[in-house]
Amino acid sequence: DVKVTQSSRYLVKRTGEKVFLECVQDMDHENMFWYRQDPGLGLRLIYFSYDVKMKEKGDIPEGYSVSREKKERFSLILESASTNQTSMYLCASRTGISTDTQYFGPGTRLTVL
Amino acid sequence: DAKTTQPTSMDCAEGRAANLPCNHSTISGNEYVYWYRQIHSQGPQYIIHGLKNNETNEMASLIITEDRKSSTLILPHATLRDTAVYYCIVRVGAGNNRKLIWGLGTSLAVNP
Repeated sequence: DVKVTQSSRYLVKRTGEKVFLECVQDMDHENMFWYRQDPGLGLRLIYFSYDVKMKEKGDIPEGYSVSREKKERFSLILESASTNQTSMYLCASRTGISTDTQYFGPGTRLTVL
Repeated sequence: DAKTTQPTSMDCAEGRAANLPCNHSTISGNEYVYWYRQIHSQGPQYIIHGLKNNETNEMASLIITEDRKSSTLILPHATLRDTAVYYCIVRVGAGNNRKLIWGLGTSLAVNP
């Protein structure tokens, strides 16, 4: 069974803290994604990676960075967390071929106080 | 900006077919329509996709109009476990830069 796991389901951080969200997939997928999901705004793409050490900005990359040192792991970094980054964060992976069947993790609900 | 519009919410009786409409009037000729659903407290789950022809799999059927400006997802025999938010999505781009443009979805409630 395919699996995408995220390091935490719930996370509470303070403004200005550095925050790491980790995502691991066991499907040997080339591509990985980070989204945030907010009421009334839907899913918005933050960053994606189509290969190890490769990254591309999505629609809302400001305030975030990413790291992909190994194929199975994709990290989202909030260098200095702010209250407007309180959100649900979803990680996904897909194969590198033409399909867009993305497999999602359960999400991390981040609250920044 | 989302390229799809969907009703905010719908109801369906258990055991009946659920027909979820989607409008994508600005879709381009090479852009696929994807459907995902998100059950409460879970990540989205792929259901089905199509370009021009109608598609069917073990989960659902997808009917795309001939002009491709709208589509309907059909759950033939809805169960309580089908209660979820259903997203109609257009895939844009090509190669490694292809991506899904998510709308706000339809919240489907399947009632006993």
